[in-house]
Amino acid sequence: QKEVEQDPGPLSVPEGAIVSLNCTYSNSAFQYFMWYRQYSRKGPELLMYTYSSGNKEDGRFTAQVDKSSKYISLFIRDSQPSDSATYLCAMRGSGTYKYIFGTGTRLKVLA
Amino acid sequence: IAGITQAPTSQILAAGRRMTLRCTQDMRHNAMYWYRQDLGLGLRLIHYSNTAGTTGKGEVPDGYSVSRANTDDFPLTLASAVPSQTSVYFCASSDPGQGARNEQFFGPGTRLTVL
Repeated sequence: QKEVEQDPGPLSVPEGAIVSLNCTYSNSAFQYFMWYRQYSRKGPELLMYTYSSGNKEDGRFTAQVDKSSKYISLFIRDSQPSDSATYLCAMRGSGTYKYIFGTGTRLKVLA
Repeated sequence: IAGITQAPTSQILAAGRRMTLRCTQDMRHNAMYWYRQDLGLGLRLIHYSNTAGTTGKGEVPDGYSVSRANTDDFPLTLASAVPSQTSVYFCASSDPGQGARNEQFFGPGTRLTVL
């Protein structure tokens, strides 16, 4: 079993839809959680960072962490075609600076 | 423009050949990383370096070596390339001094095909 599981998609939604992207993990020591966005043929870029449990909002994006369920989510409101990309979750424990990445979910927002 | 550069952008390589992928950052970050990205497997850490002069093995180090002679450069060498090393390779850096966030900044990647 992988430490971090992420549905690869692809996920296709119409413009304006609310998108939910998710990752599950098995290591209860993970405390730091990130979401990266990766456009085609580009390197990943940090989108959201969350420490421990709770929600964090930044514009149209909301990151949610539920440590009791070992489940993290990224919500995108009013999705736009420019949101079409692969979204990777990443997480780590407190004893290391190395992140474990999910496989990524491909998202297509249709105009 | 501050960031990470990687070279070459892409390469086709015959099996058995030696290849060095170059990575340079100008952000003065202490930590650097090499990942490979494969469909269905995501980003997997090959090697990392917490600071100049030190390196460590990641999840998939076999067949790869790295060196960290200075802060800015972190080359990845394939001593004798095999087809299973066909992948997209990303270099990244981070500044652990920024605290728990430790955001990793990624380069544009090198697409390597081993025939």
